[in-house]
Amino acid sequence: DQQVKQNSPSLSVQEGRISILNCDYTNSMFDYFLWYKKYPAEGPTFLISISSIKDKNEDGRFTVFLNKSAKHLSLHIVPSQPGDSAVYFCAASARSNFGNEKLTFGTGTRLTIIP
Amino acid sequence: DAGVTQSPTHLIKTRGQHVTLRCSPISGHKSVSWYQQVLGQGPQFIFQYYEKEERGRGNFPDRFSARQFPNYSSELNVNALLLGDSALYLCASSPTDSDPDAGANVLTFGAGSRLTVL
Repeated sequence: DQQVKQNSPSLSVQEGRISILNCDYTNSMFDYFLWYKKYPAEGPTFLISISSIKDKNEDGRFTVFLNKSAKHLSLHIVPSQPGDSAVYFCAASARSNFGNEKLTFGTGTRLTIIP
Repeated sequence: DAGVTQSPTHLIKTRGQHVTLRCSPISGHKSVSWYQQVLGQGPQFIFQYYEKEERGRGNFPDRFSARQFPNYSSELNVNALLLGDSALYLCASSPTDSDPDAGANVLTFGAGSRLTVL
């Protein structure tokens, strides 16, 4: 049962354009969402997060949008740069207990920025 | 500052053997989590330890076990290895503050230990 879904395995975007990565979730208990970026031979690196009490969070070129009614979130990268080429994972958690930090990850989207 | 360090980086085992993977968290981090990433999938939660106590366990068989030491480092043990245990094993640490707005769920991952079972 895939509770966090990233339906696009890959995405190619021209340098300078906007990259939009999508994520859907099914568990209504999820209340915190994160995006991680992963380069080959490295561990995932935290990119940006959003709490369920917000619908938008912005950090430089990266913006995450959350639509709770649709159980959908998206990551916007603008402008896209060659260094953004990586696998992007959407993750979610239900912060029910102190110290409970289990993250449920999607399967990832491989983003390729074309120079 | 040193990040999350894991050892070994790569290892090859045969079916039925056991393996021990090690992790040192970021200095000051008291929570350590373990994830398994199979090729083509996202990381899957195995365990979380906080202050040497197990705080969470994922849907993995009892062949998987872990512990956390007084210095907050951690070991993941897998017994009776199966071919399907071949994966990248990721360790992550996080700050002690449980305030969600302070980023309690922002895990910092190590580069992983790649296990191949033949």
